[in-house]
Amino acid sequence: DIQLTQSPSSLSASVGDRVTITCRASQSVNSYLNWYQQKPGKAPKLLIYAASSLQGGVPSRFSGSGSGTDFTLTINSLQPEDFATYYCQQSYSGATWTFGQGTKVEIK
Amino acid sequence: QVQLQESGPGLVKPSETLSLTCTVSGGSVSSGSYYWSWIRQPPGKGLEWIGYIYFTGSTNYNPSLKSRVTISVDTSKSQFSLRLNSVTAADTAVYYCASHRFIAAAGLDYWGQGILVAVSS
Repeated sequence: DIQLTQSPSSLSASVGDRVTITCRASQSVNSYLNWYQQKPGKAPKLLIYAASSLQGGVPSRFSGSGSGTDFTLTINSLQPEDFATYYCQQSYSGATWTFGQGTKVEIK
Repeated sequence: QVQLQESGPGLVKPSETLSLTCTVSGGSVSSGSYYWSWIRQPPGKGLEWIGYIYFTGSTNYNPSLKSRVTISVDTSKSQFSLRLNSVTAADTAVYYCASHRFIAAAGLDYWGQGILVAVSS
């Protein structure tokens, strides 16, 4: 199985901050890495697919980068509605899919 | 726009079989455009991918659950289903169904609202 390790597990930030979350894969997933946002009691929402493509309707302050084994989700100018838990997920062809353990973004 | 809705019992006894159905609207399970997935989330924990099915019946399962899981599709009802046998308390979770476009460079773009299933006697 391909393991995904997110860091940090949690962080505290203020409105307007720039936030960076990393996801490292145990082996290459090419660019087949996706990012989700989940708020309490809600289903996850797709933010970024294929490492850097912004899902329709997602604000442009969200961006993704990386390929191979190292990936980053960046939130520029954090907004109040961005406080949530973020997950990475790989959909590498031919492999079983996996999620990272999540990163909780809290208000400082 | 694709919409998904999970349904099934909210309580299952230990050692029995958990059975859930996901009804798809706004799209067709037989269109060939999507993989149809199940994901679960134990209370207070992270997401766990269970598996997916393609309309042809081809499946891919999480190895840790493979021996207990069956995902099937009923194109006539535009539904796909999850069966998880020999459940224990560790299978208590919110279960989500979701769709993933039939290309690797895509994500789980549409999700159901989730259904909480508790395993308890």
